[in-house]
Amino acid sequence: SQTIHQWPATLVQPVGSPLSLECTVEGTSNPNLYWYRQAAGRGLQLLFYSVGIGQISSEVPQNLSASRPQDRQFILSSKKLLLSDSGFYLCAWGGPGTVEKLFFGSGTQLSVL
Amino acid sequence: TQLLEQSPQFLSIQEGENLTVYCNSSSVFSSLQWYRQEPGEGPVLLVTVVTGGEVKKLKRLTFQFGDARKDSSLHITAAQTGDTGLYLCAVITSGTYKYIFGTGTRLKVLA
Repeated sequence: SQTIHQWPATLVQPVGSPLSLECTVEGTSNPNLYWYRQAAGRGLQLLFYSVGIGQISSEVPQNLSASRPQDRQFILSSKKLLLSDSGFYLCAWGGPGTVEKLFFGSGTQLSVL
Repeated sequence: TQLLEQSPQFLSIQEGENLTVYCNSSSVFSSLQWYRQEPGEGPVLLVTVVTGGEVKKLKRLTFQFGDARKDSSLHITAAQTGDTGLYLCAVITSGTYKYIFGTGTRLKVLA
């Protein structure tokens, strides 16, 4: 069966510090991978998605970047965090063979102070 | 411009009551999904509707896709405290692999 791992669960970082959130998927090949950010109790904002190694689509111009160094690994990064980067970050995977369905990790609650 | 608008934004009801939440857009979609999210966790898929006018039932939850495939509703019969959570609708934008989520409805069911 497929599983998705996302870590850490909670992170407190000072303004101006770097960020690296990692997400890995097991049990599937060539998944589409996604990073979302969620404000408290609200909908999900798509940040990046990737359909293959090294292929990154950016949805929102911002202080973040994403990379996909391996087929089942997706990394969200920042060189210098801003207060506005605080939020709940979710990684997800979808397809192939799972059309119109996303599977989510357990999320990372990021607080930038 | 928000692609998917959900209403109401918040809903607090007593256990045993019925409720309906809505997901609306001006665009036509090939399919639409509903997810439920618990605090501190990722969303979990409840259902995918594909055909205009389609109705799907999941125990006490009834999902309907609009005839024109622009909107959807979720009806819960005899709500239970376990139904508490954030309900999200989502679509794939045409010609891409982008999943766009609605604004969400936060439901609280009181015992």
